[in-house]
Amino acid sequence: AQSVSQHNHHVILSEAASLELGCNYSYGGTVNLFWYVQYPGQHLQLLLKYFSGDPLVKGIKGFEAEFIKSKFSFNLRKPSVQWSDTAEYFCAVNAGNDYKLSFGAGTTVTVRA
Amino acid sequence: GAVVSQHPSRVICKSGTSVKIECRSLDFQATTMFWYRQFPKQSLMLMATSNEGSKATYEQGVEKDKFLINHASLTLSTLTVTSAHPEDSSFYICSATGIPTNYGYTFGSGTRLTVV
Repeated sequence: AQSVSQHNHHVILSEAASLELGCNYSYGGTVNLFWYVQYPGQHLQLLLKYFSGDPLVKGIKGFEAEFIKSKFSFNLRKPSVQWSDTAEYFCAVNAGNDYKLSFGAGTTVTVRA
Repeated sequence: GAVVSQHPSRVICKSGTSVKIECRSLDFQATTMFWYRQFPKQSLMLMATSNEGSKATYEQGVEKDKFLINHASLTLSTLTVTSAHPEDSSFYICSATGIPTNYGYTFGSGTRLTVV
């Protein structure tokens, strides 16, 4: 079974700062990769996903992620964060032929105005 | 876009009673639904996977007789926590995938269960 690790438990930054959240997975085969966001009191929402093709994926709200197969990584980035980006961010992975999603532990992002 | 409605959002029940949580796909056919449990400050832990019309597949360590899952239709799955105990208190989230969501997952808003 695949596992997912998110390196940062809590990130605090100021508005306009750049954000990068790390995500590594352990699975040698074909994978599908996702980043979800959970705003306070709300449900999980999909930010972006990678199935195949261009390893640089652009999502909603200015987020992007890069799949680096050799590093088993799928880091999330945003060049300039806003206060409204304060949320919990989850990386998730599933094997290419398996519907089950494995989630990372999540990273709490706090953006200070 | 695809929407999954989960009810109730919060429930408090007494020890020993049962609680049913509903998860409905509003604008797509949910061929597969997933039930997760999320502990405070932790990730989502998959409890079980259910395919419409079939018995649910439970993850290791999840008691199938305690967490009853029914997925009788393409738009509804239910999770019943039977004989609830305080240690069952948690945040339960459902997720669905199917047709026509292009292999995406849509999550419900979650249910905060408190057993007193």
